[in-house]
Amino acid sequence: GESVGLHLPTLSVQEGDNSIINCAYSNSASDYFIWYKQESGKGPQFIIDIRSNMDKRQGQRVTVLLNKTVKHLSLQIAATQPGDSAVYFCAEGGNTGKLIFGQGTTLQVKP
Amino acid sequence: EAQVTQNPRYLITVTGKKLTVTCSQNMNHEYMSWYRQDPGLGLRQIYYSMNVEVTDKGDVPEGYKVSRKEKRNFPLILESPSPNQTSLYFCASSPGTGSGQPQHFGDGTRLSIL
Repeated sequence: GESVGLHLPTLSVQEGDNSIINCAYSNSASDYFIWYKQESGKGPQFIIDIRSNMDKRQGQRVTVLLNKTVKHLSLQIAATQPGDSAVYFCAEGGNTGKLIFGQGTTLQVKP
Repeated sequence: EAQVTQNPRYLITVTGKKLTVTCSQNMNHEYMSWYRQDPGLGLRQIYYSMNVEVTDKGDVPEGYKVSRKEKRNFPLILESPSPNQTSLYFCASSPGTGSGQPQHFGDGTRLSIL
């Protein structure tokens, strides 16, 4: 069946270091993949997405990498800041708009 | 300000007492959706709507109803709530579907069914 999973439930990094959050997916037919950030008491907030015909996309301090061969997605955050502390979800989507979310990785940034 | 607004934010109620969670978006989005978030299970889609008067089931529709009579509103209805519907609920909307049209989420409604 369809599933999207993250490799680690919790990731702890030092402020200023780069963070890498990983995600594995199983549906090779998905059109696009998205990363969301969820802070305590709030809804998921869109970070970046990538289409299935791309392997890399960069935003401000974030980069998403897609490896379709091994069905792997990663989110890289450069110079991690305390404000980056949150739960990060990957999700996969298709043309119905349905999103399938992974379990989430909690990013803890140590000062 | 562009936003998705859910009400109420918190509700404690009893089994069998019908309730409605409202969702409204001010971005003229065509697509709207409801999710529930549970520990260990992540976010799961309940229902979605591609446009006015068009709704369809997501992964966990049992025990829920929705309606889309106008573009901006997408209420979630629990006709006879049960304790297993205790959860954190999110409404989301997007211009359409597909890459480049990310879903915007509300801040959630925490429901407790006793």
